[in-house]
Order: sequence, then structure tokens, then C-alpha cells
Amino acid sequence: DQQVKQNSPSLSVQEGRISILNCDYTNSMFDYFLWYKKYPAEGPTFLISISSIKDKNEDGRFTVFLNKSAKHLSLHIVPSQPGDSAVYFCAANGGGSNYKLTFGKGTLLTVNP
Amino acid sequence: NAGVTQTPKFRILKIGQSMTLQCTQDMNHNYMYWYRQDPGMGLKLIYYSVGAGITDKGEVPNGYNVSRSTTEDFPLRLELAAPSQTSVYFCASTSSGRETQYFGPGTRLLVL
Repeated sequence: DQQVKQNSPSLSVQEGRISILNCDYTNSMFDYFLWYKKYPAEGPTFLISISSIKDKNEDGRFTVFLNKSAKHLSLHIVPSQPGDSAVYFCAANGGGSNYKLTFGKGTLLTVNP
Repeated sequence: NAGVTQTPKFRILKIGQSMTLQCTQDMNHNYMYWYRQDPGMGLKLIYYSVGAGITDKGEVPNGYNVSRSTTEDFPLRLELAAPSQTSVYFCASTSSGRETQYFGPGTRLLVL
């Protein structure tokens, strides 16, 4: 039973355009959401997060949007750069356990020059 | 400040062998985690610890054991390696559970 779903295994965009990565969750107790970025042969690194009391959080080229009623969040990267090519994991926290993250399967983003 | 370090980077095991994956963090974090990542899958939690001397099972604990005798170290033990344990293992730590988790570079394990 996947509580955090990233339904697009891969996404390809042109350099300079917007990348939109999507994530859905089923557990209504989740109240904190994070995006991690992972390059091959490296560990995931934190990118951006959002609390359920907000519907948007922005950090430079990265913006995360949260729609609680739809149990949906998205990561927008504008403008996309070739160095953004990586696997992006959505993760959620809460649901009775504040110690643990539940991860989605990830989306491989490829930004073409 | 090295962050989270893991050794070894890569290991090949024969079925039935045992090994310990090492994880050390120098950030004085109380919370530490072990995940495995299989191809095309997300990270699945194996075990976690909320402080020295305290450990608990995650989503996929079977075939693994952990200990946490110090704040810095959180080794993961495989007693009888099986092909299903072929995976990439990541250790992570955080200061207060709700904060960002910092990951190590991973250990790639192949069981043949």
C-alpha cells in the first residue's frame, strides 16, 4: 500500500523550460512534505520542504505547491538546467510517527541542453 | 565536518555470508536511519534509532539487525545474506525527527 505516489517514472524537458514533478499521498495525517534530489552513486540530498499550514514554498528556482484537499503536491523548477537532471523523491512525514519519512518511488528528470 | 559516512562503498557477498555495514555521523544527531533502495523503487526503511541504546523496526526489517551503542555510530548487520538483499543501502541522520534527513553516499551490496 503506497502512501506516497509518484506516478511518473520519468520526465524530459528542454533547458530553460519549466519542470513539474508531481506527488500524491493517501495518508491525511501527513503534515510535512519534502523533496530530495539524487544523483547516481550518491545519497539523496534535501531540496525543499513544505508544512501543511502552507500551500506554497519557494527557494530560488524551486517552488513546491501543496493542495491538501487533493492530497497532491508538485515541485516546479524554473528555469530547468542540465545540472537538474537527477532522480527526485517526494517524502512525507507525520501520520502518527514524526520520526520517519515515507518516500515515493522517484521521478527521473532529464533536462536536455 | 564529514556529515554521514558509510563503509564499504561496494561489497559482493556469497549467499549465507554475514557482514556489517558501517554508518557514522559527526553532527551529534539523535535520530539515525537505515534504508534500502531497489531499482525503480523508493527508499524503504529498515531500522531506525531515536538515540543511543534505542532502536526500532521499520518497514522491511527481516534479515537485518542493528545496534546503537553511541550517538555517532549505527551499524547494520546482515547475518545470512540472501539474493533478495541485493540493494543499495543508505544511512541517514537528523537532529529531531521532523527535520531534514542527511544521507550518506550509500553502500552497494551484491549477494550471489
